[in-house]
Amino acid sequence: AQSVTQLDSQVPVFEEAPVELRCNYSSSVSVYLFWYVQYPNQGLQLLLKYLSGSTLVESINGFEAEFNKSQTSFHLRKPSVHISDTAEYFCAVTYTGGFKTIFGAGTRLFVKA
Amino acid sequence: GAGVSQSPSNKVTEKGKDVELRCDPISGHTALYWYRQSLGQGLEFLIYFQGNSAPDKSGLPSDRFSAERTGGSVSTLTIQRTQQEDSAVYLCASSPRSWLAGSSYEQYFGPGTRLTVT
Repeated sequence: AQSVTQLDSQVPVFEEAPVELRCNYSSSVSVYLFWYVQYPNQGLQLLLKYLSGSTLVESINGFEAEFNKSQTSFHLRKPSVHISDTAEYFCAVTYTGGFKTIFGAGTRLFVKA
Repeated sequence: GAGVSQSPSNKVTEKGKDVELRCDPISGHTALYWYRQSLGQGLEFLIYFQGNSAPDKSGLPSDRFSAERTGGSVSTLTIQRTQQEDSAVYLCASSPRSWLAGSSYEQYFGPGTRLTVT
């Protein structure tokens, strides 16, 4: 069965420290990959996506993620986090040719001063 | 422009009652999704609409759950004879293009309906 695994349910980190949120998916067939973010008391919104082309994708607020086909991973990274990055982050996968999007269980990022 | 809206924002109902949850997608979005988010869980896919058609209903947890979409716009998720395990946040999302068109895949989410079954 198709699945998405986010290896860390919670990640506490100090402000200005780097962070990596890990995501692995179950199949190496062609996929589209997404990270969504849910800030406190807000709805889910798209952070970044990989459809094709360059395996490294970036968001407007400094996050980046790299598609690694051989490891079936799409880890999210930021070199220096801010308090405002505190949120829950969801990795999602859509298998090309399909429509169903499989979401991971989410990772809560806590940024401490 | 207006985003995806859902109503009600909160619903408390007694076990055994029926509930209807409504989703208004972004105008012009042809694809519409329903998900369920339980406490501490990820998003569970329920159903997908392309226009008014639902190609895959296999995500619906039981035959007490049904959904429809009319006019390629508003969608209603109905839960009959609610049970306590139905308590969750129900999220709706819309997407601007069909998968067959192929160029835009991101989903735009509504704020959700928090359902509590007592």
